[in-house]
Amino acid sequence: AQSVSQHNHHVILSEAASLELGCNYSYGGTVNLFWYVQYPGQHLQLLLKYFSGDPLVKGIKGFEAEFIKSKFSFNLRKPSVQWSDTAEYFCAVNPNSGGYQKVTFGTGTKLQVIP
Amino acid sequence: GAVVSQHPSRVICKSGTSVKIECRSLDFQATTMFWYRQFPKQSLMLMATSNEGSKATYEQGVEKDKFLINHASLTLSTLTVTSAHPEDSSFYICSARLRTGDNEQYFGPGTRLTVT
Repeated sequence: AQSVSQHNHHVILSEAASLELGCNYSYGGTVNLFWYVQYPGQHLQLLLKYFSGDPLVKGIKGFEAEFIKSKFSFNLRKPSVQWSDTAEYFCAVNPNSGGYQKVTFGTGTKLQVIP
Repeated sequence: GAVVSQHPSRVICKSGTSVKIECRSLDFQATTMFWYRQFPKQSLMLMATSNEGSKATYEQGVEKDKFLINHASLTLSTLTVTSAHPEDSSFYICSARLRTGDNEQYFGPGTRLTVT
C-alpha cells in the first residue's frame, strides 16, 4: 500500500517569502500525484496534479511542484507567498496501475503567512 | 463546474441516534463517490468507496453496519451514522469522481458531526 509523508506540519512565513513544502511518498510503481489546498472554512480544492510527462507541474495561483522520481518526492513551491495563501496543504498519491486506485493523503501542512 | 455539495454542514445529535449525511454532485454525474473522515490535525482517512448501484467498499477497520452508505443515483450518495457515539464526532467529507475522466476527485465542503 502507498503512503505519503509531509515533513512540515506548520510553516510560518512573511509575505513575499518563498515557499517549499515537502512531500514524499512510498510506492514501488507508477503514481499520480496531487496537491490540494483547504482555505479556512472552505473545502478541499485541487492546486495541481501530475500524471505523466513534464515533471515540473504548474498549478493555480502561481504554485508549482516538481516530481523527482528518484527521490519519491513531489514538493510544492511558490516563489513569493501572499497573505491569501494562508491555508492547509495536502499532498496525495494514487497508483497509476490500471483502473481507479484509491487516493492516499498526507497529514497536511498548515501555512500561515504573516502580512 | 464539478461542484459537490454536502448536507447538513453541521449536525449535533444525541448518543444512540442515527444521522444521515448527503453528498451530491451538482453539475456532473459521478460514477464513484468517496467518504472520508478527518480528525483534528490529521489527514483525511478514506472510510469507503461508493459506486452507483452497488454495495460500498469499506476500508479495513470501518464498520459497515455502523456507517451505512447508499449510492442511489449518479448524483447522490448518503452516509448514515447509526447509533452514534461521542467517538463518532468528526468531520466527514465526501468526494466524487467524474463518470469519465482522470483520477481527480472533487470534494464537498464537509459535515461537522458532534455527538453528545
